[in-house]
Amino acid sequence: GAVVSQHPSWVICKSGTSVKIECRSLDFQATTMFWYRQFPKQSLMLMATSNEGSKATYEQGVEKDKFLINHASLTLSTLTVTSAHPEDSSFYICSGSRREGQGVDTQYFGPGTRLTVL
Amino acid sequence: EDQVTQSPEALRLQEGESSSLNCSYTVSGLRGLFWYRQDPGKGPEFLFTLYSAGEEKEKERLKATLTKKESFLHITAPKPEDSATYLCAVAGATNKLIFGTGTLLAVQP
Repeated sequence: GAVVSQHPSWVICKSGTSVKIECRSLDFQATTMFWYRQFPKQSLMLMATSNEGSKATYEQGVEKDKFLINHASLTLSTLTVTSAHPEDSSFYICSGSRREGQGVDTQYFGPGTRLTVL
Repeated sequence: EDQVTQSPEALRLQEGESSSLNCSYTVSGLRGLFWYRQDPGKGPEFLFTLYSAGEEKEKERLKATLTKKESFLHITAPKPEDSATYLCAVAGATNKLIFGTGTLLAVQP
């Protein structure tokens, strides 16, 4: 169990357009969902944390008006990159967390979305 | 400041050659230490959660251990399919994970 999907797996768009990425927990209800980006040969960088029905909490330096997060249900979160530019090109990964042993949340990650902005 | 350091950055092993990866951490109030495996172009795959010093967990050729300052991921008789980047992360007072930079493991046949 604990499968997370992302759609699309890759996307190429023109500069100035907006791109929406979906993240779904398929077999569990995620108490919280997280969005990360990862640059080549680097570790994951947390962008934002979202809970169902409430506004996302963004990490310092992440523009909330550029990276719009909607958490419509316990199994679906979306990330919209607005007015994308080449510097937004990256690997975006979401995760859903599930309460497990000793009251600690375990994060399960999606397969990632490769965004290329031309 | 919470911090996670992994070593070595890269490790090359022959098939069957056992070794260990290290994850040193400093965190206020450790709630859990996590090991993930990440293949190129994929999201991290959950391996283990360790909650307290002295705890050990095993899965196939992998065994994770935890002390108050570090965790080890022991790989016994690795196979080429064990090649991946292994990520260590800690959770402190919040639900946020603090990741290390990973160890890139290459197992040669």
